[in-house]
Amino acid sequence: AQTVTQSQPEMSVQEAETVTLSCTYDTSESDYYLFWYKQPPSRQMILVIRQEAYKQQNATENRFSVNFQKAAKSFSLKISDSQLGDAAMYFCAYRSGSTGANSKLTFGKGITLSVRP
Amino acid sequence: NAGVTQTPKFRVLKTGQSMTLLCAQDMNHEYMYWYRQDPGMGLRLIHYSVGEGTTAKGEVPDGYNVSRLKKQNFLLGLESAAPSQTSVYFCASSYPYEQYFGPGTRLTVT
Repeated sequence: AQTVTQSQPEMSVQEAETVTLSCTYDTSESDYYLFWYKQPPSRQMILVIRQEAYKQQNATENRFSVNFQKAAKSFSLKISDSQLGDAAMYFCAYRSGSTGANSKLTFGKGITLSVRP
Repeated sequence: NAGVTQTPKFRVLKTGQSMTLLCAQDMNHEYMYWYRQDPGMGLRLIHYSVGEGTTAKGEVPDGYNVSRLKKQNFLLGLESAAPSQTSVYFCASSYPYEQYFGPGTRLTVT
C-alpha cells in the first residue's frame, strides 16, 4: 500500500519570503501522480499543483513549484513571494497511474502554514 | 457549471439517528469518492465508485453505506450514527486524474 508522509505539522513564513513544504511517499509503482492541495479556513480543497511521475521536469504554477526527486521519493512544494492568502493547510497526495479501483488519492496528514505580515 | 456540491453543509445528529449526505457533480465524471477529515489525520477514503451502479470500500468504510444510482449523484448513508463519526465529510469526483472536491459537510454526533 502507498503511504504519504508530511513530517512537519506546522511552518511559518514571513510575507514575501520563500518557504518549502516537505513530503515523502512510498510506492512500488512506476506510474503515478503527485498533488499538492491547499485548504484555507473556508475548508474548500483547492488543487495547487500536479506532477506526473514520468515527467522529469518539475511542475510550476506561478509562485508555486515542486522539487520532485523520484529516486528519493520526495515531493516538496516551494512557495515564492509568500502572500497572506497563502496561509492554509497544505496536503500532499498520491494517486496511482492506473484507473479503476486504484484511482483513489492517498493523503498525508497535512501541514499548517502561517504567513507573518 | 456548479462543479461538486454537497448537501447539507452542517448537521447535528443524536447517537443512533440516521442520515444521508448527498453529493452531486455536473462534470460527467465517472469516478466519485467520499472522504472524512479528522484533525491530525488528513483525509481518509470511506467509499468510492468507478461508475454508475458500482461502489467499493475504502480505508474506513465501517458504519457507512453508499449508493450510486445515477452517474451524477453519490450518496453516503449513516444508519446509526456514533460520536466517532463526528467529522468533516468531503465528496470528490474525477476523470481521469485530478480530483475536484465539494465544499464539505460538518457533521456532529452527540
